[in-house]
Amino acid sequence: DTEVTQTPKHLVMGMTNKKSLKCEQHMGHRAMYWYKQKAKKPPELMFVYSYEKLSINESVPSRFSPECPNSSLLNLHLHALQPEDSALYLCASSSVFGRAGNTIYFGEGSWLTVV
Amino acid sequence: AQRVTQPEKLLSVFKGAPVELKCNYSYSGSPELFWYVQYSRQRLQLLLRHISRESIKGFTADLNKGETSFHLKKPFAQEEDSAMYYCALTGTASKLTFGTGTRLQVTL
Repeated sequence: DTEVTQTPKHLVMGMTNKKSLKCEQHMGHRAMYWYKQKAKKPPELMFVYSYEKLSINESVPSRFSPECPNSSLLNLHLHALQPEDSALYLCASSSVFGRAGNTIYFGEGSWLTVV
Repeated sequence: AQRVTQPEKLLSVFKGAPVELKCNYSYSGSPELFWYVQYSRQRLQLLLRHISRESIKGFTADLNKGETSFHLKKPFAQEEDSAMYYCALTGTASKLTFGTGTRLQVTL
């Protein structure tokens, strides 16, 4: 199994809603990532978890709250988002973080629309 | 700071023609370079990386440190090569930074 699975595939939420994006991998990877991709733009790193601890937060607004309950799961909790937060949110994983030759595997993404 | 530049947003070639997708990078240390591909309605996936020096689906890329380039090449384009291609770099703090991407369109 070399897949990263993300749910839901599509999410529409209001600016006052609270929702979560979920990500799962069963490759035994100890590094997991959240990326944000706007239309026709490259993915931009948001967060990195290494061994279930937050290693990198790329100055992401607090309305995005990541959580890593265990080594296979990664969540992104969303609250009070703005319309400009509408994007494709990509989860990814790799065996470890920071090692040369690390291959990062991406999920299909969750399309988020904030109305 | 690390940066990846892909100067072409769109590259259109005929089937059977050679392909070269350009990638230049800026990084003061020793970077790791990658090419990722995203086919229509599919996930982003690794195509190749410079440390492997391998050829995948007929594509190759050579790291040229003098020119700070990592261009992707294929001698004969196929229709199924049509996709979005991203050059990416891992440098500072092992963070993966993507270029803006080049859409390759192979026509008959």
